[in-house]
Amino acid sequence: DIQMTQSPSSMSASLGDRVTITCQASQDIGNNLIWFQQKPGKSPRPMIYYATNLANGVPSRFSGSRSGSDYSLTISSLESEDMADYHCLQYKQYPYTFGAGTKLELK
Amino acid sequence: EVQLQESGPGLVKPSQSLSLTCSVTGYSITSNYWGWIRKFPGNKMEWMGYISYSGSTSYNPSLKSRISITRDTSKNQFFLQLNSVTTEDTATYYCARTTVATYFDYWGQGVMVTVSS
Repeated sequence: DIQMTQSPSSMSASLGDRVTITCQASQDIGNNLIWFQQKPGKSPRPMIYYATNLANGVPSRFSGSRSGSDYSLTISSLESEDMADYHCLQYKQYPYTFGAGTKLELK
Repeated sequence: EVQLQESGPGLVKPSQSLSLTCSVTGYSITSNYWGWIRKFPGNKMEWMGYISYSGSTSYNPSLKSRISITRDTSKNQFFLQLNSVTTEDTATYYCARTTVATYFDYWGQGVMVTVSS
C-alpha cells in the first residue's frame, strides 16, 4: 500500500496567518491526490483535486502544490471558518490511502 | 442535486455482521462509482471499497474476506456488509460518489457504528 505521511498532526494558528499542511507519498502517485476538509459533525468536503485544482466553491485562499513526492495544502490568510480537520488522499493505486490528518485550531 | 444518506444500526455486537445502506437520490447508481469510507475515533480514515456502475467491486485488502458491497438498482441503493466485527470496527461510516473527474465529490452525512457487547 502507498503510505501518505501527513504533517503536522495538529497546529494552532492566528487569523490571517499563512498555513501549510503537507503529505509525503511513499511511492509515485503523480498528481492523484485530494485534500479534504472536515468540520465536526459534517462529512468530508473535497477542497483540492488532482493535487492543485481547486474544487467548485472553494475560496481562492486555498491552494495545492506539489514538489516531487511532497504535496502541500496552503491557506494564504486563515479565516475562522477554516478551523477543521484536513486529510489528504491518494487515488493513484488501490487501496486508496489517507494521510493521518491535521487538526487546525485557532491560536 | 445528488444526495446520499447512510442508514443502519448504531450498535453491533462483536463477531456479528455490520450492515449499512446508502440511499442515493438525484443520480443513478448505474453511473460512476459508489464507495464506503470510515473514520475511526482519533481521526484516522480508511477507504473500504466501492461498487461500480456495472456492479463490479473493489475492496481494501486490509478487510480481507470480511467485506461485501452490493446494490439494488431498482431502489438506487447500495450496501455494505462487514462480517466478524470487532471493537476495532467502531467508526463513523460514510458512503460517497466518485466520478473519473471528481473523486469523492458527494458524501452522506455519516453513521456512527459502535461495536460493543
